[in-house]
Amino acid sequence: DAGVIQSPRHEVTEMGQEVTLRCKPISGHNSLFWYRQTMMRGLELLIYFNNNVPIDDSGMPEDRFSAKMPNASFSTLKIQPSEPRDSAVYFCASSNLGLANEQFFGPGTRLTVL
Amino acid sequence: TQLLEQSPQFLSIQEGENLTVYCNSSSVFSSLQWYRQEPGEGPVLLVTVVTGGEVKKLKRLTFQFGDARKDSSLHITAAQPGDTGLYLCAGILLAAGNMLTFGGGTRLMVKP
Repeated sequence: DAGVIQSPRHEVTEMGQEVTLRCKPISGHNSLFWYRQTMMRGLELLIYFNNNVPIDDSGMPEDRFSAKMPNASFSTLKIQPSEPRDSAVYFCASSNLGLANEQFFGPGTRLTVL
Repeated sequence: TQLLEQSPQFLSIQEGENLTVYCNSSSVFSSLQWYRQEPGEGPVLLVTVVTGGEVKKLKRLTFQFGDARKDSSLHITAAQPGDTGLYLCAGILLAAGNMLTFGGGTRLMVKP
């Protein structure tokens, strides 16, 4: 069974450009999470969805970040416009029944904004 | 300042040695998880502890949840190079709804 799938695995873009990260959660999981990981700040929860509905987006750093989950098998995290300080590894994770249960992480997208 | 403080941040040891890493907070958690992350991959869950004072063992790894549910430790016996990685604790805070908070991690290197 495939795990969480993220694309692209690596993204290099220039400041000001729009960046879209994609995630396919594990089939049957009803919760999806977006995280950002940097050396300075560690792993930060940006937003999570239950049954395709955003539950808590308090971790989203600013209005340049937006996330959608149009259906149970797909989510996007968009940064527009991107800035060099957005450079990080972005992880998507999915689980059953919210935060209390095991989260299965994807391989991450390494984003570099020049 | 992170809600979950992990120590040490870095640890380099020889194969066969024992080690303990700590995860501390001034807040109470309803549950706490430990993950291991290898380079280029996402974190993978090792264990979840729920009850204060709980001890769980996973082969050479022993996890303990503090009696007051504010802290946790991970002890590795006879470390092996395959244990190398980033160890992350993550907790759900009682006082902050249902938010999962990660510690900063302990980066472990076990040399052969």
